[in-house]
Amino acid sequence: NAGVTQTPKFRVLKTGQSMTLLCAQDMNHEYMYWYRQDPGMGLRLIHYSVGEGTTAKGEVPDGYNVSRLKKQNFLLGLESAAPSQTSVYFCASSLQGNQPQHFGDGTRLSIL
Amino acid sequence: GENVEQHPSTLSVQEGDSAVIKCTYSDSASNYFPWYKQELGKRPQLIIDIRSNVGEKKDQRIAVTLNKTAKHFSLHITETQPEDSAVYFCAASRRTSYDKVIFGPGTSLSVIP
Repeated sequence: NAGVTQTPKFRVLKTGQSMTLLCAQDMNHEYMYWYRQDPGMGLRLIHYSVGEGTTAKGEVPDGYNVSRLKKQNFLLGLESAAPSQTSVYFCASSLQGNQPQHFGDGTRLSIL
Repeated sequence: GENVEQHPSTLSVQEGDSAVIKCTYSDSASNYFPWYKQELGKRPQLIIDIRSNVGEKKDQRIAVTLNKTAKHFSLHITETQPEDSAVYFCAASRRTSYDKVIFGPGTSLSVIP
């Protein structure tokens, strides 16, 4: 039982490049979330999903897209990376909305 | 939408003393209040949570209290130890068709040996 697995763990991009972050959970959770964490800013919700095939915007969705084609996977895409998107990205999942969230180890993304 | 404030932003205590972190929320319909601990370079992990039908919950040295009328909830850590040093996040959410949890900005706790 691996819990929540994020890939990659580190990545450096050039401005304008695109990439996809992958989150996988093996707990059969309905809800999945993508957060970004910047120094002094806490955890800010980018997008989330309440079930397979659904997505919804969080607090800071601009510049990101997501997909939840399979229940266990939640993908976060950056179509044209910008330096302002340099951050640590955390994926999380929960059984339902009002349940504890389980976090992955994070992806440290730097955009030059 | 929901807004969660958290105070203080930094807190230093002597080992063995108690630490209290307070959060306020704006949405009176919020009914789930978790607390997460994040050690340096690690993932956030749930340490305790409380629901709106309960006023207080304890787990060993950690307790959470909830005041629904005043819309605030607090984390209490007694007999602090160096390993309690971390960033603590409070959060709030409500049960709607599109539930989501809103996190506070975090409190950096340092326990001085």
